[in-house]
Amino acid sequence: SQQGEEDPQALSIQEGENATMNCSYKTSINNLQWYRQNSGRGLVHLILIRSNEREKHSGRLRVTLDTSKKSSSLLITASRAADTASYFCATDRSNFGNEKLTFGTGTRLTIIP
Amino acid sequence: DTAVSQTPKYLVTQMGNDKSIKCEQNLGHDTMYWYKQDSKKFLKIMFSYNNKELIINETVPNRFSPKSPDKAHLNLHINSLELGDSAVYFCASSLRFTEQYFGPGTRLTVT
Repeated sequence: SQQGEEDPQALSIQEGENATMNCSYKTSINNLQWYRQNSGRGLVHLILIRSNEREKHSGRLRVTLDTSKKSSSLLITASRAADTASYFCATDRSNFGNEKLTFGTGTRLTIIP
Repeated sequence: DTAVSQTPKYLVTQMGNDKSIKCEQNLGHDTMYWYKQDSKKFLKIMFSYNNKELIINETVPNRFSPKSPDKAHLNLHINSLELGDSAVYFCASSLRFTEQYFGPGTRLTVT
């Protein structure tokens, strides 16, 4: 089974609303990362949260990590049309750091203008 | 200015052919990767190289052979292409313990 699974698979909200995506994983991790992928493009790194951190902010993004529940959430506040994309969580379980990211199945976010 | 570049962007070829995809990064990173993204958008790592040495090979068929001539380049050669190889292939790079930077992808279509 996949290491990371995002929930929901697809999400449509009105512009200006907040969007929350969740990620669950199965084994212990060094860190968890969130990436965005616009249609037809490569992935763009959004935020990295280490296993000893519980919450992290970057602009309109807020990520939480609960290692006891093996889950993470990504909150995008005051959504904009440009936020329309697929969002992936990725877990790093490698011994040496970041050589082996395991990506989740992704959440397709659509912001309705 | 491009951080991670891949060529070609699109590749259409017939079964049985051999093809190569090139990747270059100008970020000074020491680790490079190849990922495969299937039609359902599932992204899976194939290879990881650190300082030109292979450190991860995720049970990829022998038909796939990565080559890293230097730290800034990681090319992917595919022999005897099969229909199931059709996918988008992404190159990425990073420093250890930091985020990865992805290239724009190469869409491979095998007919």
